[in-house]
This record gives sequence, structure tokens and C-alpha cells, in this order.
Amino acid sequence: GNSVTQMEGPVTLSEEAFLTINCTYTATGYPSLFWYVQYPGEGLQLLLKATKADDKGSNKGFEATYRKETTSFHLEKGSVQVSDSAVYFCALRGGSEKLVFGKGTKLTVNP
Amino acid sequence: DTGVSQNPRHKITKRGQNVTFRCDPISEHNRLYWYRQTLGQGPEFLTYFQNEAQLEKSRLLSDRFSAERPKGSFSTLEIQRTEQGDSAMYLCASSLTGGGITEAFFGQGTRLTVV
Repeated sequence: GNSVTQMEGPVTLSEEAFLTINCTYTATGYPSLFWYVQYPGEGLQLLLKATKADDKGSNKGFEATYRKETTSFHLEKGSVQVSDSAVYFCALRGGSEKLVFGKGTKLTVNP
Repeated sequence: DTGVSQNPRHKITKRGQNVTFRCDPISEHNRLYWYRQTLGQGPEFLTYFQNEAQLEKSRLLSDRFSAERPKGSFSTLEIQRTEQGDSAMYLCASSLTGGGITEAFFGQGTRLTVV
């Protein structure tokens, strides 16, 4: 079945550091890929998405590129802020409507 | 606020009791999803509705679990004879079908603790 493996956390960075959170997937066919973010005390929010190979999703300075050859969708940001502290989830949607999530990576950004 | 609303936000119950959660989706959204999230894990799909029809159910949804969406608007998730393993965050999401990939909007969840 479909699955998502993402980098174990927690990740702690200083403000303005470069962020990478790795995500790889296993799926049949051509899934759509997503990054969701969960800020403390809030619900999951869609951060960015990509629907086909080589698509790049971007939002709020975050980027991720759909790499079919490596089955990856790594999340990157060039300069993190304290306000980026949250839990980040990689997810895919395959042939059905359900989202399949990774376990989540907690990011803490210190000033 | 016109986002997805879930009630209650927290529920503590004794083992063996029944509990019911409610989800009010974004008003024009025709799809509604239930997920369960345990500590340190990502959300796991339970079931989804298109309008009032329940179209898919996960094997996680044992016969003690039942979900309804009677008029295609709000939904309820009932757990009968709760067990300690049912302790989790129960998340609801909704989306609107249409061309392309539609975004699912999540509520803040109902945290269930079975003691």
C-alpha cells in the first residue's frame, strides 16, 4: 500500500538557518504530494502541494519539488523564523480520496 | 469563523462508555473525512463521505465505530464500548470536489482520553 516516510525529529535550528525535512514515499501510480503544518494548539493546515513529477510547490518561503525518480518531496526553507516552529507532515493522495501521512517532524526555531 | 468545527474539543470517558463527536464542515463542502491521530504519529484515515454517502472505510474502523452524515452537512462519529486504545485525537476535514486537486481543511480535533 501507499506509505510516507519522513525524517525523524525533533529538529532544532537557530533563526535564519536553512531547513530541510526529508520525505520519501511509496505509491502505485502518480500520487499527489502535500506538506501540512500544525502550529501549537491549531489544526492541520495545508502548506504546499504538487500534483505531478517535477512540480514545485511553494508557500511562505517553503518549497518542495516532486521528484519521481527518487520518490521524494523534501521540504526546504532558506531562512527559518521563530514563527515557523511547528510540526510538519508530509502526505500523499493516491487513487482514493484518503490522505496518507508521515509521522511528522517537530521543528523548533530558537531566536 | 467559517472553518471546520469539532465538538467537544476534549472528552474524558471511562472504559466501556459510549462517546459521540460532532463535526461541522465548511458549509459548501460536499466531502467530509475522519482521521485519528495518536501521539507521535501522523493522522490515519478512518472514513469519508460524499454528501450523505459513506464511500470508504478503513480497516481501522472496527464495528465499535460508526460514522454518519445524515443530511450531507454535519457528521457524527460514535465509539461504543470505549477501550483505552481508543485514546487519540480525532480529526475531521472537509473539501469541495471539482476540477483538479482540492484542498482538505482540517478542524482542531477532539481529544479523547479513555480512563
